[in-house]
Amino acid sequence: GDSVTQTEGLVTLTEGLPVMLNCTYQSTYSPFLFWYVQHLNEAPKLLLKSFTDNKRPEHQGFHATLHKSSSSFHLQKSSAQLSDSALYYCALRNSNNRIFFGDGTQLVVKP
Amino acid sequence: EAAVTQSPRSKVAVTGGKVTLSCHQTNNHDYMYWYRQDTGHGLRLIHYSYVADSTEKGDIPDGYKASRPSQENFSLILELASLSQTAVYFCASTGGAEQFFGPGTRLTVL
Repeated sequence: GDSVTQTEGLVTLTEGLPVMLNCTYQSTYSPFLFWYVQHLNEAPKLLLKSFTDNKRPEHQGFHATLHKSSSSFHLQKSSAQLSDSALYYCALRNSNNRIFFGDGTQLVVKP
Repeated sequence: EAAVTQSPRSKVAVTGGKVTLSCHQTNNHDYMYWYRQDTGHGLRLIHYSYVADSTEKGDIPDGYKASRPSQENFSLILELASLSQTAVYFCASTGGAEQFFGPGTRLTVL
């Protein structure tokens, strides 16, 4: 079946250091992949999504590359900011429009 | 911009009571979803719907019912609320690729 795995439950790092949050997926067909971000006491909102035209999605300094060979869609940013502290979800949408979320990774950026 | 609203925004219910959470979207989206989020845990799908008058079970449907009387409205019903159903509940609708979430309802069952 379809599923998304986020191996890190918590990532803590210092402001200015690079960010990489892992996401791998399992799907029968070629799915759409997404990253959602949820700040404290807010609803999740879309951060970025995969495309099929080989363009690397970017938003607010974050980017992710879909690697079909390794079934991965890791989220990266070159330099973390304090305001990046949030809960990040990787998600998959399959051909039936069913959406599967990973368990989420809590990112804490310290000064 | 796509809009999903939820009511109430917070509710305190008694064990064994009936609770209805409402969701309304003005996005003209076919797909709507109900999730619950527990402190320190991710989003878990309860029920979803892809057309009015039809609902589907998600990953954790036990103890919940859903109703989709129109394209715009999707309700989550707890017939006999239990302590374990204390959580934040999010409604969402999907148009194209993106899922739009409502602001959430914080439910406390005492």
